[in-house]
Amino acid sequence: DARVTQTPRHKVTEMGQEVTMRCQPILGHNTVFWYRQTMMQGLELLAYFRNRAPLDDSGMPKDRFSAEMPDATLATLKIQPSEPRDSAVYFCASGLGRTGTDTQYFGPGTRLTVL
Amino acid sequence: LAKTTQPISMDSYEGQEVNITCSHNNIATNDYITWYQQFPSQGPRFIIQGYKTKVTNEVASLFIPADRKSSTLSLPRVSLSDTAVYYCLVGFMDTGRRALTFGSGTRLQVQP
Repeated sequence: DARVTQTPRHKVTEMGQEVTMRCQPILGHNTVFWYRQTMMQGLELLAYFRNRAPLDDSGMPKDRFSAEMPDATLATLKIQPSEPRDSAVYFCASGLGRTGTDTQYFGPGTRLTVL
Repeated sequence: LAKTTQPISMDSYEGQEVNITCSHNNIATNDYITWYQQFPSQGPRFIIQGYKTKVTNEVASLFIPADRKSSTLSLPRVSLSDTAVYYCLVGFMDTGRRALTFGSGTRLQVQP
């Protein structure tokens, strides 16, 4: 049963520290999405890639967040420097990128706490 | 922008059929309607997708009227394990971000 994996599952850090979250999309999926979920804002799309190229990263605070896909099996989301307001659950999802009928498969998430 | 509107919460009892309606008055011609389910501490999970009329799978049915300005997710004979948040999304992959907006969702609580 193919699944999206995310590491770490939990991360506690102090304000100002760099945080890197990793995602392994389902093999063969060419679209990767990063979301952030908080009680106040719900699920927010941060960025997404197709064939490793960024298509939309308008949801990310540009000064501190960056997202990359070094290769087809790894997506990273980096926060530098982290702030308490970044505390949230970060989800990665992948899909086949089929126009009109794409389904997103979500990972278990990384719960980030910034003190 | 095809914004969606759903009830914030619903209550039901085990064994009942639950219908959750989503309004999307500004749906575009190419837009699909997709529903996801999210349990606490998990990522959303795809339930069903449709374009028009009715779609049924092993989990749920999706009813879409001719004008497509709304859709209804139907869960037959719910159980306690169906307690979750249900999201309606409207869009078309090539429209990018618009198709990836989850909204507030409907929190379904199933009682014994």
